Amino acid sequence: GAVVSQHPSRVICKSGTSVKIECRSLDFQATTMFWYRQFPKQSLMLMATSNEGSKATYEQGVEKDKFLINHASLTLSTLTVTSAHPEDSSFYICGCFGQPGELFFGEGSRLTVL
Amino acid sequence: DAKTTQPTSMDCAEGRAANLPCNHSTISGNEYVYWYRQIHSQGPQYIIHGLKNNETNEMASLIITEDRKSSTLILPHATLRDTAVYYCSASTGTASKLTFGTGTRLQVTL
Repeated sequence: GAVVSQHPSRVICKSGTSVKIECRSLDFQATTMFWYRQFPKQSLMLMATSNEGSKATYEQGVEKDKFLINHASLTLSTLTVTSAHPEDSSFYICGCFGQPGELFFGEGSRLTVL
Repeated sequence: DAKTTQPTSMDCAEGRAANLPCNHSTISGNEYVYWYRQIHSQGPQYIIHGLKNNETNEMASLIITEDRKSSTLILPHATLRDTAVYYCSASTGTASKLTFGTGTRLQVTL
């Protein structure tokens, strides 16, 4: 089946630094990828929709200058958390459609900002 | 996107069928019902999806009511490894976004 890979799985950084998270579709092309954020004991919250070759679409309340999304190829989307602060510590998950109608998710990336 | 409502938590004895309900009364005609589960600290795992007809795969069965306002995910023989949070969602699929509600925390016990 379709596989989506995220890297890194865990990252710890100092406050004020930027962190890049990669999301790859391994055996299919994904023109659209989705980025979610999940805080402890909460559900997944959709942050943005990443579109290959065009600007990402952000959900209401998500700062596009804070969370930079780049979808430069059909198999790779990146999320950069700029000037990270402790409140940005969260579990970030990407997803994309493989077989028609089947949305597959990556393993998630846990960000801890000190 | 249609809003979904699920019970917060459910218990199921190992070996028994787990029946997880979901209400999606505002679902539109072209939206599929999706089910995912999430085991602690992992990405969501796709289980099954359907439009109108009941669906079955190696993991579960999906029963959708005729009016499509609700559905039930059935795990026929629950095991301890099925303990997870189960999310029901609705989406038109392909490039359309999929949002998650609060989900049902299923606890399978001995």
